[in-house]
Order: sequence, then C-alpha cells, then structure tokens
Amino acid sequence: DIQMTQSPSSLSVFVGDRVTITCQASHDISNYLSWYQQKPGEAPKLLIHDAANLETGVPSRFSGSGSETHFTFTISSLQPEDIATYYCQQYDNVPLTFGGGTKVEIK
Amino acid sequence: EVQLLESGGGLVQPGGSLRLTCAASGFTFSSYAMSWVRQAPGKGLEWVSGIIATGGSTKYADAVKGRLTISRDNSKNTLFLQMNGLRAEDTAVYYCAKAPKDHFYHGMDVWGQGTTVIVSS
Repeated sequence: DIQMTQSPSSLSVFVGDRVTITCQASHDISNYLSWYQQKPGEAPKLLIHDAANLETGVPSRFSGSGSETHFTFTISSLQPEDIATYYCQQYDNVPLTFGGGTKVEIK
Repeated sequence: EVQLLESGGGLVQPGGSLRLTCAASGFTFSSYAMSWVRQAPGKGLEWVSGIIATGGSTKYADAVKGRLTISRDNSKNTLFLQMNGLRAEDTAVYYCAKAPKDHFYHGMDVWGQGTTVIVSS
C-alpha cells in the first residue's frame, strides 16, 4: 500500500497568514493526488485534483503543487471560513489512501 | 443538483449485518465510478471500496475484504454496501462518493452526508 505522510497534524495561525501543508508519498504517484477540506460535522469537499488543478468554484487562495513523492498545499491568506481539517489522497494505486489530516485553527 | 444520499446505518451487534444504500441524483450515475469511504469517530478518512461505472470491477481495502461487498444498480441510480461479519472497528460514518470519471483511480468530486454505523453489544 502507498503510505501518505501529511504534516503538520495541526497548526494555529492568524487570519491573513499563509498556510502550507505537505504530503509525502511512500512511492512515486506521479501527480495522482487530491486535496480535501472537511469542516466539523460535514462531508469532505474536493478542492484540488491532479496535484495542482483547482476545482471549479474553489477560491484562488487555495493552491497545490508537487509530483512524484512530495506535494504541497497552500492557503495564501487564511480566512475564518477556512477553519477545517485538510487531507491529501493518492489515487495512483489501490487501495486509495489518505494522509492523516491537518487541522487548521485560528490563533 | 448533483446529490448523494446515504441510508441504512444503525446500531448492530458484533457479527451482525447491515446494508447501506446511496441514492444518486442530478448526474448520469451509470457513467461514473463510485466509492465508499469511512471515518471512525475522531479519526481520519479511510477508503473502503470502489466500483467502476459498469459495475464490472470492484476493489476493497484489506481491512474489509471478504466481509463487505460493494455493488450498484445503474437502472435505479443506487450504490450499495453489504456489510457482514461486522466488528467494533467498523464503527464509523460511511460516505458514498462519486469519482469524476468511469474508474475509481481518481479523486472523489461529490460526497454524500454520510450514514453512521455503530457496532456494539
């Protein structure tokens, strides 16, 4: 199975700060990676697919980059509505696997 | 509007069975792969199973292989998860999720709100 190591597991930042989350794959997954946002009590929401492609309607402050084994997710200027847990997920191979999640809180 | 609505969750004893259902609407169900993803209380996301658009191929996580069975009825726009031999560690919210293409080797672009399964005596 491909292991996805996501870091940090949590972070606390000010509104307007830049947020960076990394995800490392145990094997080369090309760009077969998605990022999801999950707010408390809600279902996950797809933000980015193929490592860097923003879903329609997702604000441009969200972005993704990377390939092979190292990936980065960035929120350029954190807004109060961005408080959530973020997950990476690889779909290069079955079983599809998720990172452990990053909980983003406001200071 | 694209929608997925899960049902069938509940409290079941260890060793028992449940059948989860996901009713799809707002898109051509038969053109897209589907998956079940679960989330144990306070934990992260875990992919459970996937099925391609035609239903001709299915895959499972090792933790559920042989106990859970995914299927679909494209004539009724419905996805199923038959759960047998349930264990305490199967306790979770179960989400059905749509792939953006006909195979589940993709992300999941639409999610239902989930149905809760509790396995306890």
